[in-house]
Amino acid sequence: KAGVTQTPRYLIKTRGQQVTLSCSPISGHRSVSWYQQTPGQGLQFLFEYFSETQRNKGNFPGRFSGRQFSNSRSEMNVSTLELGDSALYLCASSTGSGDQETQYFGPGTRLLVL
Amino acid sequence: GESVGLHLPTLSVQEGDNSIINCAYSNSASDYFIWYKQESGKGPQFIIDIRSNMDKRQGQRVTVLLNKTVKHLSLQIAATQPGDSAVYFCAENRNYGQNFVFGPGTRLSVLP
Repeated sequence: KAGVTQTPRYLIKTRGQQVTLSCSPISGHRSVSWYQQTPGQGLQFLFEYFSETQRNKGNFPGRFSGRQFSNSRSEMNVSTLELGDSALYLCASSTGSGDQETQYFGPGTRLLVL
Repeated sequence: GESVGLHLPTLSVQEGDNSIINCAYSNSASDYFIWYKQESGKGPQFIIDIRSNMDKRQGQRVTVLLNKTVKHLSLQIAATQPGDSAVYFCAENRNYGQNFVFGPGTRLSVLP
């Protein structure tokens, strides 16, 4: 079974621009979570989507948004990019059938904001 | 604020020795924990998990111990190999859903 895939793997943007990242979960998984990883803050939870609905949300500003499609693929959008948004953005999927499940991560999208 | 942390940011061990990576958590309500391994340029890879109704769980060469009294989690790796070199994260789940809180990570270096 193929793992979680994320595109693009690398991205360079400038301040003020917006960016969209994509995540395809493991086949059969319906929950997709997004995390931001930085050297200073570590891994921080952004939000989780299940059945096209946001089920959980972390403490990030409204510039960070996401959505999920009927095939469980998810996108994450960051608007009005700031230098501090430079990070590795990780997507994780799980079946979504239980409250607490193992999450399987993709390789991440490395975003650099200049 | 509440957080998941690690006692040692770096750990160097000789190949073949056993490794122990520690993690402290502050929220006694956390009831599900996962250890992840992250190699350079890759996403975190699931190693082993444990729920709060257990105090020990074993996998292949790895054992996770949970001490709820002192809110401490550890990952033991037996016969550490060069391929074990990576950053290890503990993660706790406090709420409904998939909102995991990750520790800062410990870098494990395996010396030849």
